[in-house]
Amino acid sequence: KAGVTQTPRYLIKTRGQQVTLSCSPISGHRSVSWYQQTPGQGLQFLFEYFSETQRNKGNFPGRFSGRQFSNSRSEMNVSTLELGDSALYLCASSRDRTNEQFFGPGTRLTVL
Amino acid sequence: AQTVTQSQPEMSVQEAETVTLSCTYDTSENNYYLFWYKQPPSRQMILVIRQEAYKQQNATENRFSVNFQKAAKSFSLKISDSQLGDTAMYFCAFRDDKIIFGKGTRLHILP
Repeated sequence: KAGVTQTPRYLIKTRGQQVTLSCSPISGHRSVSWYQQTPGQGLQFLFEYFSETQRNKGNFPGRFSGRQFSNSRSEMNVSTLELGDSALYLCASSRDRTNEQFFGPGTRLTVL
Repeated sequence: AQTVTQSQPEMSVQEAETVTLSCTYDTSENNYYLFWYKQPPSRQMILVIRQEAYKQQNATENRFSVNFQKAAKSFSLKISDSQLGDTAMYFCAFRDDKIIFGKGTRLHILP
């Protein structure tokens, strides 16, 4: 069974631009969560989607948004990028909202 | 609000030794799940072990075992016969409705 895939793996943007990251969960998994990982703040929860509905949201500004499609694939969007948005963005999927999560390799975003 | 605390930012042990990573959490819930994840230098996060709060028996996975103390809200991870490949960042996580991660413990296994 294929694991969680994230595209692109690396991305370089400039301040003010916007970016869209994609996540394909493991087949059969309906829950997708997004995290931001930085050396200073550790792993911070962004949001969780389950069956196309946002179920939980972390403490991030409205510039961060996401969605989930009917095939469970998910995208997250960051608008008006800031230097502080440089991070590793991890996506994780699980069968339902109580099971363990399986993580993708992440997208390394660099904002210049 | 639930919190997860990993009090050891960094640890080093010799290969073949046993090491214990600590994790405490705070919750008013009775039913929840606890996990330990490992993130090697390659950055792919992988699940090490999981524990359901309603189960009194401590979970084990080969060389990895946990000491789950529900009343004390403690969930430590023991790695026996440590190997060089165990070098990684280890995250403790709590999940009921939301999932919350601790800040991690960087573990170095020394040859």
